[in-house]
Amino acid sequence: DTGVSQDPRHKITKRGQNVTFRCDPISEHNRLYWYRQTLGQGPEFLTYFQNEAQLEKSRLLSDRFSAERPKGSFSTLEIQRTEQGDSAMYLCASSRALLQVSGNTIYFGEGSWLTVV
Amino acid sequence: DQQVKQNSPSLSVQEGRISILNCDYTNSMFDYFLWYKKYPAEGPTFLISISSIKDKNEDGRFTVFLNKSAKHLSLHIVPSQPGDSAVYFCAASGTGTASKLTFGTGTRLQVTL
Repeated sequence: DTGVSQDPRHKITKRGQNVTFRCDPISEHNRLYWYRQTLGQGPEFLTYFQNEAQLEKSRLLSDRFSAERPKGSFSTLEIQRTEQGDSAMYLCASSRALLQVSGNTIYFGEGSWLTVV
Repeated sequence: DQQVKQNSPSLSVQEGRISILNCDYTNSMFDYFLWYKKYPAEGPTFLISISSIKDKNEDGRFTVFLNKSAKHLSLHIVPSQPGDSAVYFCAASGTGTASKLTFGTGTRLQVTL
């Protein structure tokens, strides 16, 4: 059973450039989440998908951020016109959607570090 | 508005002793609580969870206690081992939130020899 995988693990980009991160969830997990973590903070929710539908987006997700999960499997997170404040670890996670609405364990990937210079 | 709080940024414990990490929450809608362990430059690793219908859950060296009336939970690690040195995050989710997690700011545990 492979875990959640993310690519690339590290990305350094110049301010104003676009970057894209990819996430492959645990197979048969139909929920996929994106979180962001900065130094000294816990992970913060950005958005989540159930299958291919994006069901919720955080206020943190500005118009420069877009996430997709076209076939309900892997997902991409794109950041356009990057700013220095976008520097963070971007975490992908997945879970099963069980019958109960809450109580599902979410499993995280290794994260993708973004540094905007 | 920090709905999940870990008020101790760091904790140092001797190998073999008990480590107790604390977490408080303010949102009474939270009904599922999790602890994650995180090493530098890696993603959080799930450790243990507890539903609000229970007050204790045990898994090997790890036990989580939940006090709903106090809106407080704690993670006990017995005995502590050097490999337990990491940052521990408390997280919570609530009914209707599709398991979206709200995290605390973490406690750095150092287990010394």
